[in-house]
Amino acid sequence: DGGITQSPKYLFRKEGQNVTLSCEQNLNHDAMYWYRQDPGQGLRLIYYSQIVNDFQKGDIAEGYSVSREKKESFPLTVTSAQKNPTAFYLCAIWTGLLYGYTFGSGTRLTVV
Amino acid sequence: AQSVTQLGSHVSVSEGALVLLRCNYSSSVPPYLFWYVQYPNQGLQLLLKYTSAATLVKGINGFEAEFKKSETSFHLTKPSAHMSDAAEYFCAVCGNQGGKLIFGQGTELSVKP
Repeated sequence: DGGITQSPKYLFRKEGQNVTLSCEQNLNHDAMYWYRQDPGQGLRLIYYSQIVNDFQKGDIAEGYSVSREKKESFPLTVTSAQKNPTAFYLCAIWTGLLYGYTFGSGTRLTVV
Repeated sequence: AQSVTQLGSHVSVSEGALVLLRCNYSSSVPPYLFWYVQYPNQGLQLLLKYTSAATLVKGINGFEAEFKKSETSFHLTKPSAHMSDAAEYFCAVCGNQGGKLIFGQGTELSVKP
């Protein structure tokens, strides 16, 4: 994973529950991103943070929340307001123009 | 606004045949372009990138891509497909140096023996 760790790899959620996906990095980069991936829809940006204690909504932020209290950590909470949360979630860090994004290995969330 | 269009959600080739995955972009500023590969249930790995240097870019695993400004294209090619190339491929554009890539829909490559 190149210094970026997502956990857990698989997560099951009951309807009406909030769940939190972890993303940790030890590469000392400022900018971190959360994407959602669904079959045939590519990657859609949920939230991103370019500095500690600051974050911005992406294209599909409704039903999600984030925090950025530490440079190393950017957790994503999928709330009960997200009506269709089953998807593959990817966290990424921006490592500059030489390498673009470095991605974590992803978390597959399933509603049961 | 920037956007990326990948033509063909599924491409199938025979082992040893040419691989051609198409990507067209739209950007109001000189773009930075990337190709990523994703194997099942994994994150994305960088294949190659264009950052305004040489227009023909070579990447890992024998892949290369050519930036054509007149055609707003950044197609990915490989002369001879290998079974291990079967994966999903994503083209992405960034219009500035600050990250926030815009991704295409992805192209799933199948390689037949």
